[in-house]
Amino acid sequence: GENVEQHPSTLSVQEGDSAVIKCTYSDSASNYFPWYKQELGKGPQLIIDIRSNVGEKKDQRIAVTLNKTAKHFSLHITETQPEDSAVYFCAASENEKLTFGTGTRLTIIP
Amino acid sequence: DTAVSQTPKYLVTQMGNDKSIKCEQNLGHDTMYWYKQDSKKFLKIMFSYNNKELIINETVPNRFSPKSPDKAHLNLHINSLELGDSAVYFCASSQRTQTQYFGPGTRLLVL
Repeated sequence: GENVEQHPSTLSVQEGDSAVIKCTYSDSASNYFPWYKQELGKGPQLIIDIRSNVGEKKDQRIAVTLNKTAKHFSLHITETQPEDSAVYFCAASENEKLTFGTGTRLTIIP
Repeated sequence: DTAVSQTPKYLVTQMGNDKSIKCEQNLGHDTMYWYKQDSKKFLKIMFSYNNKELIINETVPNRFSPKSPDKAHLNLHINSLELGDSAVYFCASSQRTQTQYFGPGTRLLVL
């Protein structure tokens, strides 16, 4: 089955700086890669996703890149703000089954 | 309008009891899921239903039984609760292989 590794497990960045979270996956058949943000006491919320026919996708301060050959994808958050503090999860799937990474706790330092 | 809702939000119960968690989605999606998030925040799929039909059934003890009365509802019944069942349980829904939308979670504590 699919295995997704996520790094780092914790990340602290100064407000205004950029944050990068990286994930690798094992199943070359995976073709959908979402990123979720989970705030304290809430359910995961999709922030951006990418499919395997695209190498990069951007939505305002958030971008995701995908390298199918190397089987890794990354989340980039620019101009970080205090409200970006949360746990971020990457995931990979071929069909309905999402396999999640272990999460990154991002803390933005004011 | 709430897209994916779960009840109850908190559930505290004794070992050995039987309990149910309910999930409803008003997005018109045809696929619904149950996930378990443990104390280390690891999210793992348990079950998936498409149009009331079970399509994903991970290695979950048979004390856990999902029930889908219609495609907008997916309930989770747990028999003979154990201490290790303490976790946050999330319901999610999607339109086939599209984006999954998560509910707010049910925090289960078994004493």
